[in-house]
Amino acid sequence: ELKVEQNPLFLSMQEGKNYTIYCNYSTTSDRLYWYRQDPGKSLESLFVLLSNGAVKQEGRLMASLDTKARLSTLHITAAVHDLSATYFCAVDIATGNDMRFGAGTRLTVKP
Amino acid sequence: DTAVSQTPKYLVTQMGNDKSIKCEQNLGHDTMYWYKQDSKKFLKIMFSYNNKELIINETVPNRFSPKSPDKAHLNLHINSLELGDSAVYFCASSPPTLSATDTQYFGPGTRLTVL
Repeated sequence: ELKVEQNPLFLSMQEGKNYTIYCNYSTTSDRLYWYRQDPGKSLESLFVLLSNGAVKQEGRLMASLDTKARLSTLHITAAVHDLSATYFCAVDIATGNDMRFGAGTRLTVKP
Repeated sequence: DTAVSQTPKYLVTQMGNDKSIKCEQNLGHDTMYWYKQDSKKFLKIMFSYNNKELIINETVPNRFSPKSPDKAHLNLHINSLELGDSAVYFCASSPPTLSATDTQYFGPGTRLTVL
């Protein structure tokens, strides 16, 4: 059975600090996604990672993919309060037709 | 010009009732999905429809049935609602062949509360 495991599940950090969220998955996959969800809101796509060694950056967030290790990371640099949200990774196991989500990492950035 | 829209946004109903949630996308996508997000925020895919054909049917109770009148719409019908059906239901869509930047686009969600 496919497993998508994120850790940590809860993360409280101070503004200005750096931290990494990890996403491990148990099967081969062509794509890995990162989404952000604010409380009571929908999911917003952050990154699509397609190949081994892929790295994408947007603002203070940087995502990477190691398909051999079946590991993706979401690195947060110099966190700000606006980054407080729940972050999900998702693994695509059927070319866009079957996406399985991790449990989410609830990030709180404190001033 | 909302890309993926759902109605209603909130739905409160009694156990045993039958209800529907509507979803529409104006992105021209061929594939649409329904997800359930429980109280712990865990997201689980329920159904996937491609060109009006069901291509994934997860182990959800048969009280749940997706209906797609055309490729822009995927409605979710739920019969004999139970307390455990309380959750947020998200509709999503994606193109049939994903490019390097394509992903699934999610609707705003419908919060279903069964009393």
